[in-house]
Amino acid sequence: SAVISQKPSRDICQRGTSLTIQCQVDSQVTMMFWYRQQPGQSLTLIATANQGSEATYESGFVIDKFPISRPNLTFSTLTVSNMSPEDSSIYLCSVASGEGEQFFGPGTRLTVL
Amino acid sequence: QKEVEQDPGPLSVPEGAIVSLNCTYSNSAFQYFMWYRQYSRKGPELLMYTYSSGNKEDGRFTAQVDKSSKYISLFIRDSQPSDSATYLCAMSASRNNNDMRFGAGTRLTVKP
Repeated sequence: SAVISQKPSRDICQRGTSLTIQCQVDSQVTMMFWYRQQPGQSLTLIATANQGSEATYESGFVIDKFPISRPNLTFSTLTVSNMSPEDSSIYLCSVASGEGEQFFGPGTRLTVL
Repeated sequence: QKEVEQDPGPLSVPEGAIVSLNCTYSNSAFQYFMWYRQYSRKGPELLMYTYSSGNKEDGRFTAQVDKSSKYISLFIRDSQPSDSATYLCAMSASRNNNDMRFGAGTRLTVKP
């Protein structure tokens, strides 16, 4: 299994500002994913981040709003830009083992006022 | 129709009961099946992973996959209050999970 850490674990932000979430994995992985989980809801995939290529965004999510970096095989960042209260959610990064399993980080709980 | 259907519950059982959690799906291409446990304010924790059809047992947990019926189950024996959490089923056709689909999650409470 992979050990994944995220920073920050939680934050309270003002409307119109941006927050960058960091995701660190203890081993090299090809595929990393960013999800959003709104209260009481299941997980919604924001984008897939592969090292050395542009992130692939799901329908309803755009790069200007959620820019992603993937500088190496153990690290990725997700920025939530120009935040509004509707962006209040838990943001999760995950990695694929390449053998069918997927592991999640502890999440970043974001509240936008 | 959603690709993955999971009853959100809530489900409440007494301590020691056998719990059965289920998901149905429509995409016959799915072949990697997972169950996650998610405690409140935490990230999902991979509990069980099964490839293709069959059963897998790990301690008090048993995962079953019936691809012919497009139906997966998670059984928890001798349930404990510490099992109280939301359980999410997930499945993928690709070993890289770039097509992962999740159930809505079932909230389970085990009462002492």
